[in-house]
Amino acid sequence: GESVGLHLPTLSVQEGDNSIINCAYSNSASDYFIWYKQESGKGPQFIIDIRSNMDKRQGQRVTVLLNKTVKHLSLQIAATQPGDSAVYFCAEAHYGNNRLAFGKGNQVVVIP
Amino acid sequence: NAGVTQTPKFRVLKTGQSMTLLCAQDMNHEYMYWYRQDPGMGLRLIHYSVGEGTTAKGEVPDGYNVSRLKKQNFLLGLESAAPSQTSVYFCASRSDGRHYNEQFFGPGTRLTVL
Repeated sequence: GESVGLHLPTLSVQEGDNSIINCAYSNSASDYFIWYKQESGKGPQFIIDIRSNMDKRQGQRVTVLLNKTVKHLSLQIAATQPGDSAVYFCAEAHYGNNRLAFGKGNQVVVIP
Repeated sequence: NAGVTQTPKFRVLKTGQSMTLLCAQDMNHEYMYWYRQDPGMGLRLIHYSVGEGTTAKGEVPDGYNVSRLKKQNFLLGLESAAPSQTSVYFCASRSDGRHYNEQFFGPGTRLTVL
């Protein structure tokens, strides 16, 4: 597998604490906002998405919040674990566009 | 299921050489994508396909060509490699069902052009 040495914003978090990863988006017309996780040496993996008419969605240990007023998306990870160390990308989707637009990513480092 | 596989994993080319990257998926997905990933740039879409026999340009298509002759395969070609094409290349696929935001990615190919 492959990974890229990315010069990214980095969040260091203690194991067991909660993590908040932020993303600013530009396209108000996007229909969905999505979070992907990329572990070292692997391709990105889908985590969760949220429709543009919602402001909160919960998954397993993750919560995504959408603030359309300030065009801001966040991913909250509860009780962060070493396996959560990764680069996290937000992405936008528009119906009928057949593709995603990815942000630049945020690195999360979990300290045991 | 193997999911999405990519061949080769690593490749070093000299400027001007050509090569083809192969992506294969065994999930019967309609949509397939080629991305490149560079430091600080995130994932950028090169080309994509919405079904067998179709291709479309993405965000950064110049210098690349693609073909989708079979539903399960999506080929990315570099006719005359340039150092600017040094990158990690990812292939992805997705179904046309309700989970269309979920793309499944391969493990990537690291390409270096000298």
